[in-house]
Amino acid sequence: DTAVSQTPKYLVTQMGNDKSIKCEQNLGHDTMYWYKQDSKKFLKIMFSYNNKELIINETVPNRFSPKSPDKAHLNLHINSLELGDSAVYFCASSKTEVYNEKLFFGSGTQLSVL
Amino acid sequence: GESVGLHLPTLSVQEGDNSIINCAYSNSASDYFIWYKQESGKGPQFIIDIRSNMDKRQGQRVTVLLNKTVKHLSLQIAATQPGDSAVYFCADSKTSYDKVIFGPGTSLSVIP
Repeated sequence: DTAVSQTPKYLVTQMGNDKSIKCEQNLGHDTMYWYKQDSKKFLKIMFSYNNKELIINETVPNRFSPKSPDKAHLNLHINSLELGDSAVYFCASSKTEVYNEKLFFGSGTQLSVL
Repeated sequence: GESVGLHLPTLSVQEGDNSIINCAYSNSASDYFIWYKQESGKGPQFIIDIRSNMDKRQGQRVTVLLNKTVKHLSLQIAATQPGDSAVYFCADSKTSYDKVIFGPGTSLSVIP
């Protein structure tokens, strides 16, 4: 069973559209994250939720809105997609926010905005 | 620190040789350091970690060395195998409560 699973794996869409990426973890972890990886492989945190509550919110455009219906799920909704949003988005989880060092990542969603 | 306009550093090693991947960090207050491995098409995977009160830690075929004086971290892989080909990231955080900051990756290619 996949520990952290995210869907879809690939997402190709037009500029201006709204899209969502879903993430689920079955590890029983309290904390979940969204990371963005650019074309140079640079990995940057976007958001972190602990037990459904937002704890980290980096300088991300408010077109990006995370939602955590329960601690096993963290979805990412993106409004009015722009070319610069093209990247690979990774969901991750950790046991608690105290032990945020050891992250378990999903396999990524490659978003291409045309 | 952020990678600004840099190509991904690459390292090529012969199968069976030892690999050394280096990382410099900027925050002298960093307390915790981690290495992640990212294979093609997959998410990063935890390899090994070390706290600032240690200067060396060994795992299975991997060793992490920490030099706080010069703010340098290295990952040594013994007897490198084709399956070790991946992008390797170092990461650090100030405390267990702080977010983890990833450094720019290094791409390791193993030549059979």
